[in-house]
Amino acid sequence: DIQMTQSPASLSASLEEIVTITCQASQDIGNWLSWYQQKPGKSPQLLIYGATSLADGVPSRFSGSRSGTQYSLKISRLQVEDIGIYYCLQAYSAPLTFGSGTKLEIK
Amino acid sequence: EVQLVETGGGLVQPGRSLKLSCVASGFTFNNYWMSWTRQAPGKGLEWVASITNSGGSTYYPDSVKGRFTISRDNAQNTLYLQMNSLRSEDTATYYCTRVGHTMGMDYWGQGVMVTVSS
Repeated sequence: DIQMTQSPASLSASLEEIVTITCQASQDIGNWLSWYQQKPGKSPQLLIYGATSLADGVPSRFSGSRSGTQYSLKISRLQVEDIGIYYCLQAYSAPLTFGSGTKLEIK
Repeated sequence: EVQLVETGGGLVQPGRSLKLSCVASGFTFNNYWMSWTRQAPGKGLEWVASITNSGGSTYYPDSVKGRFTISRDNAQNTLYLQMNSLRSEDTATYYCTRVGHTMGMDYWGQGVMVTVSS
C-alpha cells in the first residue's frame, strides 16, 4: 500500500500569512494527488486535483505543487474562512490512501 | 447543481447488516465512477469502495473486502453500499462521492452516520 505522510499535524497561522502543508508519498504516484478541506461539522470539499489543478469555485489563493514524490498545498494569504482540517489523497493505486490530516487554526 | 443524498444509516448490532443508498442528481450519473469514503468519530478519512461508471468493476481496501459490496443502478441514479458482518470499527460517517479528474472526489454528500454497537 502507498503511504501518505502529511505534515504538520496542526498549524496555527496569522491572517494574511502564507501557509504550506505537505504530503510525502512512499512511492511514485505521478499527479494522482488531490487535496481536500473539511470545515468543522461539514463534508470535505475538493480543493486541488491532479496535484496542481484548482477545482471549480476554489479561491485562487489555494495552489498545489509537486516535487518528485512530495506534494504541497499553499494558501497564499490566509483568511478566517480557511480554518479546518486539510487532507491529501493518492489515487494512483488501490487502496486509495489519505494523509492523516492537518488542522489549521488562526493565531 | 450536483447533489448526492445518502440514506440508510443508523444503529446496528455487531455482526448484522445495513445497506446505504445515495441518490445522485444534477449530472449524468452513468458517466462517472463513484465511491464511498468514511470517517470515524474524531478521526481522519478512509476510502471504503469505488465502482466504475458501468458498474463492471469494483475496488475495496482489505479492511472491508469480503464484507462490503458497492453497486449502482444507473437507471435510478443511485449508488449503494451493502455492509455485512459489521464490526464496532465500522462506526463512522459514510460519504458518497463522485469521482472526477485524476480520481479526485469532486462532490461529496452530506454523510450518513452508522453506529455499530450492542
